[in-house]
Amino acid sequence: GQQLNQSPQSMFIQEGEDVSMNCTSSSIFNTWLWYKQDPGEGPVLLIALYKAGELTSNGRLTAQFGITRKDSFLNISASIPSDVGIYFCAGIGGTASKLTFGTGTRLQVTL
Amino acid sequence: GAGVSQTPSNKVTEKGKYVELRCDPISGHTALYWYRQSLGQGPEFLIYFQGTGAADDSGLPNDRFFAVRPEGSVSTLKIQRTERGDSAVYLCASRADSDPPGELFFGEGSRLTVL
Repeated sequence: GQQLNQSPQSMFIQEGEDVSMNCTSSSIFNTWLWYKQDPGEGPVLLIALYKAGELTSNGRLTAQFGITRKDSFLNISASIPSDVGIYFCAGIGGTASKLTFGTGTRLQVTL
Repeated sequence: GAGVSQTPSNKVTEKGKYVELRCDPISGHTALYWYRQSLGQGPEFLIYFQGTGAADDSGLPNDRFFAVRPEGSVSTLKIQRTERGDSAVYLCASRADSDPPGELFFGEGSRLTVL
């Protein structure tokens, strides 16, 4: 099935650094979401975006819905060890209610 | 319980066997989704239920896969004649009607290994 392309695939950063990751699609989405998955767990919703150009924050997280509706980015400021995990973007297109997930960005934080 | 519950958490079976995976959604959630996640990949959509009916089963890979939700609560994903390529984590998620379409609550998944 279709998956959204995320970059980078993985990243190693030091505690306290800011992180940026993005997600692109060949088709338009009406809703963009960002989920985080820890080992052995299901994905957990971080941020949801519903309008093109929308910029939304949740604590240290900031995400934007690209103006073309074909991309989104997620920023994490002042990373901490518990930010470790895999971050997935997800989108909904047309009238469907199913999510299409990205390929994931694995984040490792060193002390 | 408070969250989405999936059983078994791990299942090892032999090629050709039949498998059932169970999902107990959050109480009151009418929307239920099954996703499959292969190693190193994002979750891939399989099927979506609204109440008892399958509203979208376009993600089921072939006719060996089938899912039911007879009373609009618990759902069972059934896989016949399992193949090694079916090995993956099967994730279930639920959502209340009052929640926006993408805001799903996932269970911890059932890890299926086909030998």
